[in-house]
Amino acid sequence: AQSVTQLDSHVSVSEGTPVLLRCNYSSSYSPSLFWYVQHPNKGLQLLLKYTSAATLVKGINGFEAEFKKSETSFHLTKPSAHMSDAAEYFCVVSDVNRDDKIIFGKGTRLHILP
Amino acid sequence: GAGVSQSPSNKVTEKGKDVELRCDPISGHTALYWYRQSLGQGLEFLIYFQGNSAPDKSGLPSDRFSAERTGGSVSTLTIQRTQQEDSAVYLCASSFGTSGSEQYFGPGTRLTVT
Repeated sequence: AQSVTQLDSHVSVSEGTPVLLRCNYSSSYSPSLFWYVQHPNKGLQLLLKYTSAATLVKGINGFEAEFKKSETSFHLTKPSAHMSDAAEYFCVVSDVNRDDKIIFGKGTRLHILP
Repeated sequence: GAGVSQSPSNKVTEKGKDVELRCDPISGHTALYWYRQSLGQGLEFLIYFQGNSAPDKSGLPSDRFSAERTGGSVSTLTIQRTQQEDSAVYLCASSFGTSGSEQYFGPGTRLTVT
């Protein structure tokens, strides 16, 4: 069975410092992994996705994530936080070749301190 | 082009009444998903459609919830005899396929049951 765990419900970083949002998954098959972002009062938007190509995936707004099979992780990073990054971030797992069930993590709210 | 649209954007209803929520996916998208987002709860998967059929209804919280999709396009989510715990934002998403495909989200319907 699939599952996804976002290890932190809230993360606070200062503007200009690195961001790390952690995500661990479990999957019996070959997973597709995604990060979505939801800004306040806005819809969900895809940041990036991994679908068994390169393990380091680059997304929009300077974010990237690395798929580490040995650690079953797909952590989201950004070298330098900007105030506009304040939002809720969701890690998502979907099993390719399975029943297409898509599982969202509970979300991590990112706060940017001036 | 047009994105995913949902109507109504807001719905206030009295406990015990039935409500119907509508989702218009992006034209050509075969997969359609319904989620519920409650305050502080993250996204809860409800049901998804591949074409007009729903391979996975396991996320529907109770038999008061039902959904249908006709013509491979518009979908309606119906909640009968609404309860206060049904209050949430109901999100719809569509994609070209499933698994590794990006989901495009609508703005949601905010349902308040009084």
